[in-house]
Formats: sequence, structure tokens, C-alpha cells
Amino acid sequence: QQQVKQSPQSLIVQKGGISIINCAYENTAFDYFPWYQQFPGKGPALLIAIRPDVSEKKEGRFTISFNKSAKQFSLHIMDSQPGDSATYFCAASNVGSGSNYKLTFGKGTLLTVNP
Amino acid sequence: KAGVTQTPRYLIKTRGQQVTLSCSPISGHRSVSWYQQTPGQGLQFLFEYFSETQRNKGNFPGRFSGRQFSNSRSEMNVSTLELGDSALYLCASSLHHRGVRQETQYFGPGTRLLVL
Repeated sequence: QQQVKQSPQSLIVQKGGISIINCAYENTAFDYFPWYQQFPGKGPALLIAIRPDVSEKKEGRFTISFNKSAKQFSLHIMDSQPGDSATYFCAASNVGSGSNYKLTFGKGTLLTVNP
Repeated sequence: KAGVTQTPRYLIKTRGQQVTLSCSPISGHRSVSWYQQTPGQGLQFLFEYFSETQRNKGNFPGRFSGRQFSNSRSEMNVSTLELGDSALYLCASSLHHRGVRQETQYFGPGTRLLVL
């Protein structure tokens, strides 16, 4: 059972454009939603994260939009740059799950930003 | 502060062998989680250790095991390797503040395991 579904699998955007990646989750107990960025040969690095008590969080060119009723959240990259070309993963977890804590990841989106 | 370090970075083994991977968390982090990353299945949770105790385990066979030492360093072991175990194995650490786990997990660069 895939608890976090991510789309699209791949995305090609022109420099300066907006990149949008979507995720949907099933487990209503999830209360922490991070996005990770991974470059080839590197481990995932936390980009931005949101809790369900807010509908949007912005950090620089990166924005998370969160829709609790639809159980969906998305990453928007404004003014996309070639250096943003990487694989992006959404994830979800239940912070209050104590010893059962783990991150559940989407399958990833390969973003290519053309110059 | 140094990040999460993993050794070795690359490993080639043959079927039937066993392998041990090592992870050193960020200084002060006491929780270590392991994930397997493959092109087909993505990132999947293996297990988590805290204070030398396994706290949670993912849906992997018993051939996958781990342990944590008193200095929070962790090792994972895979016995009787299969071709399908070829993957990037990632370690992540997180901080506990006043006994409460902080939600952010910081990942290491991973160990790339190839099973022939």
C-alpha cells in the first residue's frame, strides 16, 4: 500500500519557470510533511517542511501548499534554475507516533530545468 | 558541525555473502534510522535505533539487522545477500530535545551496494 503518492515522475521546466510537484497521502494521522532534494551521488537533503496547522509555507523560492481536507500537498519552485535540477521527494510522518516513528516517502520526481 | 557520515561509500559483494555498513550520526543526535533506496521501490524504511535499542522496524526480512552503540554510531548488517539487495542504503539521524524526538531527519550520503 503506497501511503504517499507523488506526481509527476519527471518534469522538465525552462529556466525562470515554475516547477510544481504534487503529493497525496492516505493516513490522516500524518502531521509532518517534509520535502527532500537529492542530487546524484548524494543523500536527500531537507528542503522545506510543513505541519498541517498552516496552509502554506514559503522559504525563498520554495513554497509548500497544504490542503488538509483533500489530503494533498505540493511543492512550488519559483524562478526555477538549472541548479535546481535534482530528484525531489515528498514525505510524511506522524510525529506523535513515538517508537513507531518513520518517514514514508513518495516515489520521487526528477526535475530538469533547461537553461 | 559535521554531518551524517557513512562508510564505506561503495561496496561490491556476491550473492550469499554478508555485509556490514556503518553510520555516524551528527554529534548530539541519538536517533539513527536506516532506509533502502532503489529505483523501483524508492525510499523504504528499514529500522530505527535510539539509545542502543531498536524502536521500529520496516517490512524487510530478518536478513536485515542492525545495532547501535553507546556513542550513537550504528551499523546495519545484511546476511545471505541477494541480487535484489543492490541499493543505496541511507542513514539518517535526528535530535531528541528534552526526551522528545525532533521531526527533522538528516541524511548521510549513503552506501551504494552492488550484489553480483
